[in-house]
Amino acid sequence: GDSVTQMEGPVTLSEEAFLTINCTYTATGYPSLFWYVQYPGEGLQLLLKATKADDKGSNKGFEATYRKETTSFHLEKGSVQVSDSAVYFCALRIDGGYQKVTFGTGTKLQVIP
Amino acid sequence: EAGVTQFPSHSVIEKGQTVTLRCDPISGHDNLYWYRRVMGKEIKFLLHFVKESKQDESGMPNNRFLAERTGGTYSTLKVQPAELEDSGVYFCASRGTGRSPLHFGNGTRLTVT
Repeated sequence: GDSVTQMEGPVTLSEEAFLTINCTYTATGYPSLFWYVQYPGEGLQLLLKATKADDKGSNKGFEATYRKETTSFHLEKGSVQVSDSAVYFCALRIDGGYQKVTFGTGTKLQVIP
Repeated sequence: EAGVTQFPSHSVIEKGQTVTLRCDPISGHDNLYWYRRVMGKEIKFLLHFVKESKQDESGMPNNRFLAERTGGTYSTLKVQPAELEDSGVYFCASRGTGRSPLHFGNGTRLTVT
């Protein structure tokens, strides 16, 4: 079945540090890939997405590139801020049918001043 | 537009009791999903409604869980009787047609003691 594997957390970084959260996937079809973020006390929000190989999704300084050859979609940000502290979820969706989304376990990021 | 709303935001009940969670999707969204995150693990799919019909309930853990969506508007998820392992955060999400994105609610944190 479809699955998403992302790096264990928590990740603690100092402000302005470089962030990478690894994500790899296994899918029976050709998925679209997503990063969702959950800020404290809030619901899940779509952060960025990519729908085909070599696409780069970007938003709020975060980027992730759809790598079909390595089945990966790593999340990066060049300079994190305290306000980026949240839980980040990598996810995939097989388009067509009813488009169920499969999530990873989530990686908690804490950015300290 | 109003987002997906869930009620209650937090529920604490004793083992053996009954709890009903409610989700109001974005108006006009035919697709409604329930997901659950247990003890910091991945967010797992529970079921999917299209209007009032259950399209996929393969993720429902057992027959103690009952989901309804009468009239194709709001949905309820009842747990009866609750067990300790049911503790977690229950997310509801809705989506329009085609490849439109998922919109999540803030979740209901259920604690079974």
